[in-house]
Amino acid sequence: GAGVSQSPRYKVAKRGQDVALRCDPISGHVSLFWYQQALGQGPEFLTYFQNEAQLDKSGLPSDRFFAERPEGSVSTLKIQRTQQEDSAVYLCASSLESWRSSYEQYFGPGTRLTVT
Amino acid sequence: DAKTTQPPSMDCAEGRAANLPCNHSTISGNEYVYWYRQIHSQGPQYIIHGLKNNETNEMASLIITEDRKSSTLILPHATLRDTAVYYCIVTPGGAQKLVFGQGTRLTINP
Repeated sequence: GAGVSQSPRYKVAKRGQDVALRCDPISGHVSLFWYQQALGQGPEFLTYFQNEAQLDKSGLPSDRFFAERPEGSVSTLKIQRTQQEDSAVYLCASSLESWRSSYEQYFGPGTRLTVT
Repeated sequence: DAKTTQPPSMDCAEGRAANLPCNHSTISGNEYVYWYRQIHSQGPQYIIHGLKNNETNEMASLIITEDRKSSTLILPHATLRDTAVYYCIVTPGGAQKLVFGQGTRLTINP
């Protein structure tokens, strides 16, 4: 079946440009998470949605980062005025909010952002 | 900060059992132990989780010590495709953010 998809898979942006990263979660999954993974590091939490509600955005590194999920399905992570330190892989994960699913998070392949 | 400690790297021969340790001495009573792995250039993949009992599924077994301060992930017959970074994560039940540490880079050798 279809898993979590992310687009684009690769993005090169010049410093100062705005970028938008898209995540298509598994159909019916209530929870959606964004993570940032720097080279050689483990993923770090950015933000969490339950349906369309953004319940936790404590991991967003600055006010240049903004995420939305207006209809409770597709989510977009937007980064304004990109900086070199924003270069990373951005991972999206979704989960079916049910104890039967073990709250397992299903991850997409990620978007590799390179800021030059 | 991650609440777990794992060795940075391990090697295992193909066909042998791979035993990956994890220390989580500050684990709380309501926290689960989850294991994920990340194969190169892919997103993390769920493997198994447990609270206090040992668990087994088609991918692996999880052994949790009685005091719950440490655990071991066992891949019974490692293959080359099991080469990945393995993350041990402690988290409360429910839909919760995952706090990843550095993980263990497991290399399966032919």
